[in-house]
Amino acid sequence: EPEVTQTPSHQVTQMGQEVILRCVPISNHLYFYWYRQILGQKVEFLVSFYNNEISEKSEIFDDQFSVERPDGSNFTLKIRSTKLEDSAMYFCASSPEQGRQPQHFGDGTRLSIL
Amino acid sequence: DQQVKQNSPSLSVQEGRISILNCDYTNSMFDYFLWYKKYPAEGPTFLISISSIKDKNEDGRFTVFLNKSAKHLSLHIVPSQPGDSAVYFCAASVYGGSQGNLIFGKGTKLSVKP
Repeated sequence: EPEVTQTPSHQVTQMGQEVILRCVPISNHLYFYWYRQILGQKVEFLVSFYNNEISEKSEIFDDQFSVERPDGSNFTLKIRSTKLEDSAMYFCASSPEQGRQPQHFGDGTRLSIL
Repeated sequence: DQQVKQNSPSLSVQEGRISILNCDYTNSMFDYFLWYKKYPAEGPTFLISISSIKDKNEDGRFTVFLNKSAKHLSLHIVPSQPGDSAVYFCAASVYGGSQGNLIFGKGTKLSVKP
């Protein structure tokens, strides 16, 4: 069964450094998402992406964050100048279309900021 | 801001019995609801969904019930199996306007005892 893959599984970065989290969505999916889950808290929406542009973003997704689909398969989340509070699990998801279609999630990248 | 609430952090059930997981929501604009299962170190796995035009959806051992007037949904697992032990997340979205980004509950940890 097709799946969303994320790399790396764990990323340790010094505060202030830039980090890029990578995702390969399911191949025939059109909508891509990033979510995060801070330890002990809810899974929170960050951003959705469709047709090579951001569809919607949450308040969390400020100028520190950016997303890109650099080729036909990868979808990346870049965090510039990381802060301690960016430490979380970051999940990528994709869906074949918006609306009444389930999103399928990758296994996440655990980001640890030191 | 708790638009989606799962008030039971944990539930313990005997193998073979029914598991009932509950979820309440406050936003009357939600029209698509999903249940995800999550094992440690994995991403959320889609289980079952329901749109607001229905009040029940069934898939094998899993049934989701939606009570729009009460803004309540539940997931029934019958019969429960030890492999069902995981954290279950309720999620909701608004079709169209918000591009389908999911609002998650905090999750309920289900333990199915042999």
